[in-house]
Amino acid sequence: DTGVSQDPRHKITKRGQNVTFRCDPISEHNRLYWYRQTLGQGPEFLTYFQNEAQLEKSRLLSDRFSAERPKGSFSTLEIQRTEQGDSAMYLCASTWSGSKDTQYFGPGTRLTVL
Amino acid sequence: TQLLEQSPQFLSIQEGENLTVYCNSSSVFSSLQWYRQEPGEGPVLLVTVVTGGEVKKLKRLTFQFGDARKDSSLHITAAQPGDTGLYLCAGRKGGSEKLVFGKGTKLTVNP
Repeated sequence: DTGVSQDPRHKITKRGQNVTFRCDPISEHNRLYWYRQTLGQGPEFLTYFQNEAQLEKSRLLSDRFSAERPKGSFSTLEIQRTEQGDSAMYLCASTWSGSKDTQYFGPGTRLTVL
Repeated sequence: TQLLEQSPQFLSIQEGENLTVYCNSSSVFSSLQWYRQEPGEGPVLLVTVVTGGEVKKLKRLTFQFGDARKDSSLHITAAQPGDTGLYLCAGRKGGSEKLVFGKGTKLTVNP
């Protein structure tokens, strides 16, 4: 079963360091989403791609955050100059544009900024 | 302001009991999804409802979408310890591609 995969599953970093996360969507899915989930909250939308085009970005995505999906397959989310407030679970989801109501989530990357 | 309000926030029951959790909003949604999330894992999709008044059943779970497409409920019959988890509702508004999530209901089913 090739579901959405994310790497790494856990990342501990020191404040001020840069981190990069990877998401591999379900192979036939052309839409890819990034969400962030903090403790006690539901996931919050960050950005989404259709194929390689980034079509929407949340105001939560400050200029320290950048996401790419260069070949329309896997995606990366980079956080520069991490802050303690960036500590969260970063979730990736994918779907097919003809079925956009049904997003399938990966296991997430848990980021801890010390 | 939370767009989707879930209640209760926490629920602890005994095995075999029935329960209902609610997801309410003042906004209309094109679709609404229910997910279950285990600690340290991503949400797992349970169901998507798209038509006002729609009822879907998944074994012991019954999901209903309100007639006005502003609210939803999840009813579990004869809860089992394996039902323990965080239940999240999420909605997609017309013209938007993103899902908006509630804070979730943390369910604990005790043996």
